[in-house]
Amino acid sequence: DIQMTQSPSSLSASIGDRVTITCQASQDSKNYLNWYQQKPGKAPKLLIYDASNLEAGVPSRFSGSGSGTDFTFTISSLQPEDIATYYCQRYDNSFRLSFGGGTKVEIK
Amino acid sequence: QVQLVESGGGVVQPGGSLRLSCAASGFTFSHYAMHWVRQAPGKGLEWVAVVWSDGNDKYYADSVKGRFTISRDNSKNMLYLQMISLRADDTALYYCARGYILTPNNWGQGTLVIVSS
Repeated sequence: DIQMTQSPSSLSASIGDRVTITCQASQDSKNYLNWYQQKPGKAPKLLIYDASNLEAGVPSRFSGSGSGTDFTFTISSLQPEDIATYYCQRYDNSFRLSFGGGTKVEIK
Repeated sequence: QVQLVESGGGVVQPGGSLRLSCAASGFTFSHYAMHWVRQAPGKGLEWVAVVWSDGNDKYYADSVKGRFTISRDNSKNMLYLQMISLRADDTALYYCARGYILTPNNWGQGTLVIVSS
């Protein structure tokens, strides 16, 4: 199975800070990589699809980049409402999905 | 708007069975792949299964293969997950999600399954 290593597992940042989360795949994942936000007690919400495409209605401070095995998710200026856990998720030609372990983002 | 409402969760003994349902509305159900994704208490997300829009192709996580069956009824806008031989580590909140093929892009609020004696 292809493993997704997401880091860090948690981070603390100040309002307005730039926040970066990485996800590394054990095999080439092309651009088959999505990012989700999950707030406490809520269902996950798709933010970025196919590595770098912003889902409709998602603020532009969220962005994604990367291809192959290394991917990055960035919040350009952290806002109070961004407190959540973020997950990467890959898919592949075997029609299976896998999620990273998650990154919990807190306010410093 | 897209609405997905899961039901059927509950407490079941190890080795038991349960059938989850997901009622879909607000979109043309038969045009979309549908997923089940679960989340154990305090843990991360784990993909469970996907069924193609026509119901003919289904794929499963290794952890549930042979025990869980995903199905759909496009005439009723319903998604199902039949679970047998349940184990304690199947305890989780089960979400159904509409998929843009292999990208779950709309999620329900989940139904809780607890496997315990």
